[in-house]
Amino acid sequence: KQEVTQIPAALSVPEGENLVLNCSFTDSAIYNLQWFRQDPGKGLTSLLLIQSSQREQTSGRLNASLDKSSGRSTLYIAASQPGDSATYLCAALYNQGGKLIFGQGTELSVKP
Amino acid sequence: GAGVSQTPSNKVTEKGKYVELRCDPISGHTALYWYRQSLGQGPEFLIYFQGTGAADDSGLPNDRFFAVRPEGSVSTLKIQRTERGDSAVYLCASSLASGPYNEQFFGPGTRLTVL
Repeated sequence: KQEVTQIPAALSVPEGENLVLNCSFTDSAIYNLQWFRQDPGKGLTSLLLIQSSQREQTSGRLNASLDKSSGRSTLYIAASQPGDSATYLCAALYNQGGKLIFGQGTELSVKP
Repeated sequence: GAGVSQTPSNKVTEKGKYVELRCDPISGHTALYWYRQSLGQGPEFLIYFQGTGAADDSGLPNDRFFAVRPEGSVSTLKIQRTERGDSAVYLCASSLASGPYNEQFFGPGTRLTVL
């Protein structure tokens, strides 16, 4: 069964800290992996998309890596800010159609 | 430019009633997706359209759920004989085309509450 897992479910860090969010997937035959941010009561905002042939993608203070062989992806956030507080979701694409399999999310709180 | 929009933003209904949820994708996007998100969980796939046709409806939980996209743009998710377990946030997403090279862009969701 294709599953995506995110641990921990919640994380609290002081402002300015660098942090890593983890995502694991059970089947290495993914087409891509996407990271999203969700603010309370809102929809999802796409952050980064990594194709299966890529190892990492960067956007500003965010860096996402992908290791298919170990079934893991990480989202690195540099110099965290209170505005980064949100739930972060990863999702894997296992077929060519577009059906994303999501993890449960990690709720991040950055304290001033 | 305009993103994905969904109406209504909130819908409260009684058990057994029929509801329709609407999604307006980003203009020019040919692929459209519906997901459902329960509290504290990640979204779960329901159905996706490429153009007017449902390309994958494997996530629809039962035959009370149905979705259409008659002109290849706006889509409506229809739920018959609603049950309390249907309460969730229903999210719509669109992408330029289906497939692994296309990011999915999400709308704000419709929060459905079945009393």
